[in-house]
Amino acid sequence: GAGVSQTPSNKVTEKGKYVELRCDPISGHTALYWYRQSLGQGPEFLIYFQGTGAADDSGLPNDRFFAVRPEGSVSTLKIQRTERGDSAVYLCASSWGGSGNEQFFGPGTRLTVL
Amino acid sequence: LAKTTQPISMDSYEGQEVNITCSHNNIATNDYITWYQQFPSQGPRFIIQGYKTKVTNEVASLFIPADRKSSTLSLPRVSLSDTAVYYCLVGDIGNAGNMLTFGGGTRLMVKP
Repeated sequence: GAGVSQTPSNKVTEKGKYVELRCDPISGHTALYWYRQSLGQGPEFLIYFQGTGAADDSGLPNDRFFAVRPEGSVSTLKIQRTERGDSAVYLCASSWGGSGNEQFFGPGTRLTVL
Repeated sequence: LAKTTQPISMDSYEGQEVNITCSHNNIATNDYITWYQQFPSQGPRFIIQGYKTKVTNEVASLFIPADRKSSTLSLPRVSLSDTAVYYCLVGDIGNAGNMLTFGGGTRLMVKP
């Protein structure tokens, strides 16, 4: 079956621009997670959805970052007024049930802010 | 929060058994231990999860002593394709909490 997919695979933008990153989780998975990963570092948790609601958004670094999952399936991570420090790989994962269950990761979106 | 400590890197040779130990001195009663593997340019992949004693699957074994303050991921007879970063996570599977903290991981290099 299809795994987690993320689009675009690469995104290059200019400082100050707005970007949206999309995640299509595995069908039927109720939980969805966003992480970002900088070179040489482990994934850094951003936000976790259970269904349509954000169960934990404590990892969002500031109010420029926002994520939605309006129908409990596809999710969009939105970054306003991008900064060069936002450059990273943004990973999405999904799982059955709660956050500690096996998470299935997508290939990530590489965001570069010039 | 249960913090984890792993070696930054390890080297091994093809065919050897590799053991990666993770320290988690502050592990809580409801916490589980989960290991993920990550190859370059890919998302992490679940390897194994356990609570106590020993868990084995087709890929690896996980050894957890009685005090649960550490755990050891064992990879039998590694091959070059096992070269990757391995992450240890600790947390309550019913609670988002620190289960979502990956840390720096252990970079395993398997040599021919």
